[in-house]
Amino acid sequence: NAGVTQTPKFRILKIGQSMTLQCTQDMNHNYMYWYRQDPGMGLKLIYYSVGAGITDKGEVPNGYNVSRSTTEDFPLRLELAAPSQTSVYFCAIYRGMNTEAFFGQGTRLTVV
Amino acid sequence: QKEVEQDPGPLSVPEGAIVSLNCTYSNSAFQYFMWYRQYSRKGPELLMYTYSSGNKEDGRFTAQVDKSSKYISLFIRDSQPSDSATYLCATLSGGSNYKLTFGKGTLLTVNP
Repeated sequence: NAGVTQTPKFRILKIGQSMTLQCTQDMNHNYMYWYRQDPGMGLKLIYYSVGAGITDKGEVPNGYNVSRSTTEDFPLRLELAAPSQTSVYFCAIYRGMNTEAFFGQGTRLTVV
Repeated sequence: QKEVEQDPGPLSVPEGAIVSLNCTYSNSAFQYFMWYRQYSRKGPELLMYTYSSGNKEDGRFTAQVDKSSKYISLFIRDSQPSDSATYLCATLSGGSNYKLTFGKGTLLTVNP
């Protein structure tokens, strides 16, 4: 039972390149989230999903896209990478109230 | 207006001190509040959660919610160097919209 698996752990992108950050869970939780965390800052919600086929924007969705075709996977797509997207990205899963949200280990992305 | 605002840090205290960490939230309908702890270069982990108003105690940690002032607090008694981490408050908009939102975080350093 791995919980939440994020890949890759590290990536350097050039400006204008695109990439997909992968998030996979094996806990069958309905709710999944993508956050970014800039140095010394808290977690900013990018997108979230309450179930397969349903996604919604968070606080900072511009420059990102998501899809949720299955319960297990919630990939985050960057289409035209910009230096402002340099950050650590965390995927989280959640079952509901009175439970714990579990986080992946993060993806450190640098755009140069 | 942000859904949850957290007192800015950083905070540095001597070992054994009582630490108070604070957040305010904007929506009086919020009922579910959480505190997460994040060590450097790791994902956040749940410390405590509270539902509605009042106090909840777990060892050296006490979480408090004051709904009249929309204020949430985390108290750490007899602080230890191992408590040095970033502490993030979080709230959840319930119903069918499970949006999990975090504050900016407060970096706490407990000096031996």
